[in-house]
Amino acid sequence: QKEVEQNSGPLSVPEGAIASLNCTYSDRGSQSFFWYRQYSGKSPELIMSIYSNGDKEDGRFTAQLNKASQYVSLLIRDSQPSDSATYLCAVNQDNFNKFYFGSGTKLNVKP
Amino acid sequence: EPEVTQTPSHQVTQMGQEVILRCVPISNHLYFYWYRQILGQKVEFLVSFYNNEISEKSEIFDDQFSVERPDGSNFTLKIRSTKLEDSAMYFCASSEGTGGYEQYFGPGTRLTVT
Repeated sequence: QKEVEQNSGPLSVPEGAIASLNCTYSDRGSQSFFWYRQYSGKSPELIMSIYSNGDKEDGRFTAQLNKASQYVSLLIRDSQPSDSATYLCAVNQDNFNKFYFGSGTKLNVKP
Repeated sequence: EPEVTQTPSHQVTQMGQEVILRCVPISNHLYFYWYRQILGQKVEFLVSFYNNEISEKSEIFDDQFSVERPDGSNFTLKIRSTKLEDSAMYFCASSEGTGGYEQYFGPGTRLTVT
């Protein structure tokens, strides 16, 4: 059973702070990792992907991957109220098409 | 910016009726997917489609479900005889390639079965 686990939250941070979102996965064969943002009643919106151990930065977002610990995280710097949403971690094994999603972490950024 | 589109945005149907959900993937993408999300639950994979064939499907995707690419742009999900438990958001997604390629999601169709 391939599992992707996330703390459901809510995670509350003040505006301007760093939000740290975490995800663990059970399948050691997983090769590709994705973060999506989902506003209530809307579809998942891709934030970024990460494939190699280490950090990957894109604007205010940094994804971190540690395959040995089966752990992927997303840091949001200078959090804004508009970042308030549910953040979904998705994991994929190469040669397979399907993404396994976590249940998401709800982030609240307070003005 | 290219995007995945889906119609209708909301579909209400009676139990036992057939529904067809429609999607137009991003034009240069080759792989197409359907996912569903029951209210308050995880996004779940249903099926992937490539080169006019199903390439992978989940245990949810039983004989009541089918997919089709009827023309060069549309990708459809048909549910033959809807059940109450089919009520969910259905998302279409597409990607340029398989495996580790990024998947882009459409806005979804909310299906309500009464």
